[in-house]
Amino acid sequence: SQQGEEDPQALSIQEGENATMNCSYKTSINNLQWYRQNSGRGLVHLILIRSNEREKHSGRLRVTLDTSKKSSSLLITASRAADTASYFCATDKDTGRRALTFGSGTRLQVQP
Amino acid sequence: EPEVTQTPSHQVTQMGQEVILRCVPISNHLYFYWYRQILGQKVEFLVSFYNNEISEKSEIFDDQFSVERPDGSNFTLKIRSTKLEDSAMYFCASRSRASGGPGELFFGEGSRLTVL
Repeated sequence: SQQGEEDPQALSIQEGENATMNCSYKTSINNLQWYRQNSGRGLVHLILIRSNEREKHSGRLRVTLDTSKKSSSLLITASRAADTASYFCATDKDTGRRALTFGSGTRLQVQP
Repeated sequence: EPEVTQTPSHQVTQMGQEVILRCVPISNHLYFYWYRQILGQKVEFLVSFYNNEISEKSEIFDDQFSVERPDGSNFTLKIRSTKLEDSAMYFCASRSRASGGPGELFFGEGSRLTVL
C-alpha cells in the first residue's frame, strides 16, 4: 500500500460526537502532519507531530503517533457540522523523497 | 494573512494543447511545490523547487511537465501537450525555510484543469 493510508475512507457522525481517523505509513519519518480539505478547496495544515513526540493537542484536535506501529491517529472532539471535510495525513520521510507524501484521506461528514 | 494564490481557477483545454498554471507563493517562502489531485482521489506530489532549480520530482513529472520561476514572485507549471489523464486539480504550495525537513505547507485554492 502507499505511504500514508488513512482509515476509514469515510466516516459519518452526529454533531457533538468524537471523530477518530487513523493513518498508517511504511517508512521511517521525520514528522507527520494532518491537513484538512473542504470540498473543492485547498488543503489547510492542522497539526504537525515530530517522530520523537507521542501526542500533541491543538484545540479540539488530538494527534498521536506510534512510530513502532508506523501509525497515527487524529481525534476531533465535540465535532461540529463545520468539521465536515476530508482529512489527510502527510509524511516527511527521513530518507529518499523529502517532499510530503499524502494519503488518500478520510471523508468526514458531521450531521447537524 | 499571507496566502498562496493560483490562476486560473478553472481551465478547459483540448487534448494536445499547452497549458500554463500560475502561482504566487507567499512572499518570504523559499520552497515551492506542485501537487495534483484527480477528482476525489489522493493528493499526488509532482515537483519541488528551491533556489531556482528542481529539488525533487515524482514519476508523474515527465518530459511533458516543466516548472519555472520567471521573476521574484510567480511560480508556473507548464504542461506541453495535455492528455485526457492530466485532468485534475493542481495545487501549488509553499513553505518558509525550516530546518529538519518539510514543515507546514501553505496551499493555494487550486487550478482545475479539464482536458477534452
